[in-house]
Amino acid sequence: KNEVEQSPQNLTAQEGEFITINCSYSVGISALHWLQQHPGGGIVSLFMLSSGKKKHGRLIATINIQEKHSSLHITASHPRDSAVYICAVSFFGNEKLTFGTGTRLTIIP
Amino acid sequence: NAGVTQTPKFRVLKTGQSMTLLCAQDMNHEYMYWYRQDPGMGLRLIHYSVGEGTTAKGEVPDGYNVSRLKKQNFLLGLESAAPSQTSVYFCASSLGAIEAFFGQGTRLTVV
Repeated sequence: KNEVEQSPQNLTAQEGEFITINCSYSVGISALHWLQQHPGGGIVSLFMLSSGKKKHGRLIATINIQEKHSSLHITASHPRDSAVYICAVSFFGNEKLTFGTGTRLTIIP
Repeated sequence: NAGVTQTPKFRVLKTGQSMTLLCAQDMNHEYMYWYRQDPGMGLRLIHYSVGEGTTAKGEVPDGYNVSRLKKQNFLLGLESAAPSQTSVYFCASSLGAIEAFFGQGTRLTVV
């Protein structure tokens, strides 16, 4: 069965802390997406990656294809980073996205 | 550039009523999707379409129907709403396995 697991489910941190959210998946993928959802809001795509590392501002996403694992890092976290972060993958031979259950991040001032 | 637009944003239905959710995209994407999001669960695919005139079932299709008569629109219908269909519904579009664009969501309550 094609599965996506995220950890932790919930994360609370102080402003300024370095944040890591993890995503693991069961079989080979063609692409992995990191998405952000603010409370009551829509879903925004942060990154799409199939290898290596991508950086956008304070956000960094990495993927290790051999270990079937990806991480999303936030440096110098800020209260406005508080949101649900969702990992989603496209498995080989299947264009549809399979989603993790999300990580709820709360940054305390 | 509107991206993906869903209407309505909120709706309350009585059990047994019907309704249609509309998703419109202006990016000429071939792929369109309808998901539902429930507490403690990841987004689950209801139905999807890989092009105008085509539709296919996702993970949780029962109780829903869809149509893709025009490339830019993807409609989700509930013929006889049930309380189990209370959820937040998201539409998305993409050019295949690349960046997906999501609508703002529709919060549906069935009483």
